[in-house]
Amino acid sequence: QKEVEQNSGPLSVPEGAIASLNCTYSDRGSQSFFWYRQYSGKSPELIMFIYSNGDKEDGRFTAQLNKASQYVSLLIRDSQPSDSATYLCAVITDGGSQGNLIFGKGTKLSVKP
Amino acid sequence: DTGVSQDPRHKITKRGQNVTFRCDPISEHNRLYWYRQTLGQGPEFLTYFQNEAQLEKSRLLSDRFSAERPKGSFSTLEIQRTEQGDSAMYLCASSLWETQYFGPGTRLLVL
Repeated sequence: QKEVEQNSGPLSVPEGAIASLNCTYSDRGSQSFFWYRQYSGKSPELIMFIYSNGDKEDGRFTAQLNKASQYVSLLIRDSQPSDSATYLCAVITDGGSQGNLIFGKGTKLSVKP
Repeated sequence: DTGVSQDPRHKITKRGQNVTFRCDPISEHNRLYWYRQTLGQGPEFLTYFQNEAQLEKSRLLSDRFSAERPKGSFSTLEIQRTEQGDSAMYLCASSLWETQYFGPGTRLLVL
């Protein structure tokens, strides 16, 4: 069964610190990787996507992908209390016509003022 | 606001009743997905439409569940004879290619 694993947390970091969120996936055929942020009681909100090995930066967020090791990570620089949420890692394993996302259970991040 | 809308936002029903949810995707998006999310879990895929064709259904989608997208625009998800285990957040997402944008979800509570 194709799986996406995340540490459920909670991960607690002080305001201004770097938060590092990790995700591993089981299917080597996975092609596309996404990070979503979900506030309590709300729906997932897309933060970043990454397709190629290496780093991709967008503002305070950096996604890192290592296909050989089958992991993807999200770094949040200068963490703010408003970043406190659950972060969901999602993977498309088919790369084909379906494209349904397989999600991890999410990591709960708490940024303390 | 992603541009994906869902209705209703909340639904409370009694066990055994039928419920129907609606999703309006971003207008130019031809792909539409339904997911279900329970507390402490990530969303789980239910079904996928490309235009009006339902191309994939998860094994989670029992015969009590049916989904339609009659004109390739909005979609409906119906649950017949609801059970307490159906209580969850039902999420709709749409995409043009691979990047999916989620609506606000419909929270269902079955008493």
